[in-house]
Amino acid sequence: NAGVMQNPRHLVRRRGQEARLRCSPMKGHSHVYWYRQLPEEGLKFMVYLQKENIIDESGMPKERFSAEFPKEGPSILRIQQVVRGDSAAYFCASSPGQGINPRYFGPGTRLTVT
Amino acid sequence: DQQVKQNSPSLSVQEGRISILNCDYTNSMFDYFLWYKKYPAEGPTFLISISSIKDKNEDGRFTVFLNKSAKHLSLHIVPSQPGDSAVYFCAASEIQGAQKLVFGQGTRLTINP
Repeated sequence: NAGVMQNPRHLVRRRGQEARLRCSPMKGHSHVYWYRQLPEEGLKFMVYLQKENIIDESGMPKERFSAEFPKEGPSILRIQQVVRGDSAAYFCASSPGQGINPRYFGPGTRLTVT
Repeated sequence: DQQVKQNSPSLSVQEGRISILNCDYTNSMFDYFLWYKKYPAEGPTFLISISSIKDKNEDGRFTVFLNKSAKHLSLHIVPSQPGDSAVYFCAASEIQGAQKLVFGQGTRLTINP
């Protein structure tokens, strides 16, 4: 997980608020993955992005969730109108290109919805 | 629908002995398998992988075995060291380098001195 930065590490939101999670990939990496881990479960794929392009969002819930990876700056995972079921640990990972499995994940953002 | 299962939530092993972590999968399209290790307050880190064309891959103290007919893989750590205490996740994908990995629930390994 060296070099993949996530912030905040902990985020508390009330139901109905918005949550923004940030991921800065390792230096030189242009591809970012987002995974979610619910309690007592494994990590589940959400979305795979390249700079300025969403490559695969098949794991994203249809509503309220969106992700972006702009040309400059971190990747953002945005959850609108959060509900209690969104409480989870959100991990991101990065890779230098397509076709390369991620070696390191960031430390995660633990989202708690009250 | 849990396509990758790690049926042992926890495992306790004496230092110096062998640790064996198991993983089963149901999707016959899975062709590439990885193990990740996770310490508290950190993200998972890649440990070792294996392609379905092999039945064994070794890297130092870590060996992964794949039994494709049984849809079963295992990670052997020998000898086990206190620093190996962590949560271990197995993951699978349909091809090497696929963006979508399917993870098991994890096994918490504790190495006792």
